[in-house]
Amino acid sequence: DQQVKQNSPSLSVQEGRISILNCDYTNSMFDYFLWYKKYPAEGPTFLISISSIKDKNEDGRFTVFLNKSAKHLSLHIVPSQPGDSAVYFCAASSPNFGNEKLTFGTGTRLTIIP
Amino acid sequence: DGGITQSPKYLFRKEGQNVTLSCEQNLNHDAMYWYRQDPGQGLRLIYYSQIVNDFQKGDIAEGYSVSREKKESFPLTVTSAQKNPTAFYLCASSIGDWNTQYFGPGTRLTVL
Repeated sequence: DQQVKQNSPSLSVQEGRISILNCDYTNSMFDYFLWYKKYPAEGPTFLISISSIKDKNEDGRFTVFLNKSAKHLSLHIVPSQPGDSAVYFCAASSPNFGNEKLTFGTGTRLTIIP
Repeated sequence: DGGITQSPKYLFRKEGQNVTLSCEQNLNHDAMYWYRQDPGQGLRLIYYSQIVNDFQKGDIAEGYSVSREKKESFPLTVTSAQKNPTAFYLCASSIGDWNTQYFGPGTRLTVL
């Protein structure tokens, strides 16, 4: 039972354009969401997060949007750069319900085309 | 420089053998975690430890064992009871906040 889903295994975007990565979840108790970035042969690194009390969080070129009614979040990268080519994992947890364990999605491989 | 190390990067074992994966951190983090990643799947939690001499089962602990005798070390043993041991194993640590986990480079285990 995949509670966090990333339905697009891969995405290619032209350099300078916007990259939009999507994530859906089924557990309505999730109230904290994160994005991790992973380069080949390295462990994931934390990118950005959002609490369920917000619908948007921005950090430089990265913005995460949360639509609680649709149980959907997205990561926007603008402008996309070659160094953004990596696998992006969406993750969720329920800290306000006493469960801080992270549930990860399957990942989306982003390729930025120069 | 500080970080998390996992060794070896690639490991091959024969079926029926136990194997221990190393994870060491010099970040002075209290909490450590083990995840498993399979093709087409996200990271799944095997075991975690929030303090020395204490650890908890994650979502897929069957066939695995851990120890936490020192703050900086959290070795994972893949036993012969694990039905599908071939996978990419990731170790992580954090000060105590699950969200800000720092990951090691991973060990790819192949059981022949």
